[in-house]
Amino acid sequence: SQQGEEDPQALSIQEGENATMNCSYKTSINNLQWYRQNSGRGLVHLILIRSNEREKHSGRLRVTLDTSKKSSSLLITASRAADTASYFCATDRDSGAGSYQLTFGKGTKLSVIP
Amino acid sequence: EPEVTQTPSHQVTQMGQEVILRCVPISNHLYFYWYRQILGQKVEFLVSFYNNEISEKSEIFDDQFSVERPDGSNFTLKIRSTKLEDSAMYFCASSVVRGPTGELFFGEGSRLTVL
Repeated sequence: SQQGEEDPQALSIQEGENATMNCSYKTSINNLQWYRQNSGRGLVHLILIRSNEREKHSGRLRVTLDTSKKSSSLLITASRAADTASYFCATDRDSGAGSYQLTFGKGTKLSVIP
Repeated sequence: EPEVTQTPSHQVTQMGQEVILRCVPISNHLYFYWYRQILGQKVEFLVSFYNNEISEKSEIFDDQFSVERPDGSNFTLKIRSTKLEDSAMYFCASSVVRGPTGELFFGEGSRLTVL
């Protein structure tokens, strides 16, 4: 089964607009994280939300988590051209015995047009 | 700001050759990981390492792969006999803790091209 599927696959918006990306997952989780990847570069951690949290803010980022629907959303407000990147959600599986691995989705490629 | 560093940034090798990818995790981190990303595909977990032993590995991490922490700073991934399908970006990551608070810090990656 696929864990951590983002949609849309690609999103193109004008600078200043808000960007919303969604992530769905299948198994129960300890936490859900969002990462950003500029083209050809490494992954940068943006925000982590725990399974008992519903919403979290960090600067222009707002993340929500709905464990009943097994979904999360990432909102970037007042987007800038520098926000152009791929955004991935990643889940830390709740195996009970502890899990060391993150499962990443395919990502949403965001293009912010100046 | 402390960061995870990886070398080489790009390596081209012939099929069947051995490759070693090197990583220097953040100095006070205790957990180390290798992930890979085939071009245009998902980032996939390979292996996690803690207290000088593998703590978890995926089905991708077969007998051709091995990891080592030869000294107090380096963390290496070795592929014994590379295949064409090993061509990917390999990311090293480290974390202070695992589990619910486990933010991973990733390096910039090593791009491996197998010809």
